[in-house]
Amino acid sequence: AQSVTQPDIHITVSEGASLELRCNYSYGATPYLFWYVQSPGQGLQLLLKYFSGDTLVQGIKGFEAEFKRSQSSFNLRKPSVHWSDAAEYFCAVGPTGGGNKLTFGTGTQLKVEL
Amino acid sequence: GAVVSQHPSWVICKSGTSVKIECRSLDFQATTMFWYRQFPKQSLMLMATSNEGSKATYEQGVEKDKFLINHASLTLSTLTVTSAHPEDSSFYICSARVRGGHGGELFFGEGSRLTVL
Repeated sequence: AQSVTQPDIHITVSEGASLELRCNYSYGATPYLFWYVQSPGQGLQLLLKYFSGDTLVQGIKGFEAEFKRSQSSFNLRKPSVHWSDAAEYFCAVGPTGGGNKLTFGTGTQLKVEL
Repeated sequence: GAVVSQHPSWVICKSGTSVKIECRSLDFQATTMFWYRQFPKQSLMLMATSNEGSKATYEQGVEKDKFLINHASLTLSTLTVTSAHPEDSSFYICSARVRGGHGGELFFGEGSRLTVL
């Protein structure tokens, strides 16, 4: 069964500092990987996704993520965090053959200090 | 990107009543929609998969008679919480897969917060 682990429940960074949110997955093959962001009381917005090809993917809002097969990781990064980035971030994994089910991590709450 | 809209955004109801939540894909057709439930400060739990023109597929542990799902058209799926009780209070989020799109790429609605008194 596929699973996703986000080891950090809360992270606090200063505005302008760099950010890395960790995500590890467990899956039998190369999965589809996603990062979503959720603002309070809102739905989820897709930041970026990895299906195949270049392991460094660029997303919206200046985010990027790197797929590392050897580490079963898909960490999210941003060079300089803005106060508006404060939100909940979810990593998710889906099967390579398509299909319906996304498995979400438990999320990382990002707080940005001004 | 594709837009998914939910209505209502929030609803308060009395225990024992039924509540219907709508999920619409505004600018694309969605053969498959998904309903998630999210408890405070927790992740999303997939409740069921809604397929246009057929019965929904429920995840293990989800009561199909409690959470009725209808997907009558390619742009609308509804979730009805029947005989709601306080423990059904939660944030319900729908998502949709673009017809012909990658299997895992989903677009999410804004969510509907249900409070049962």
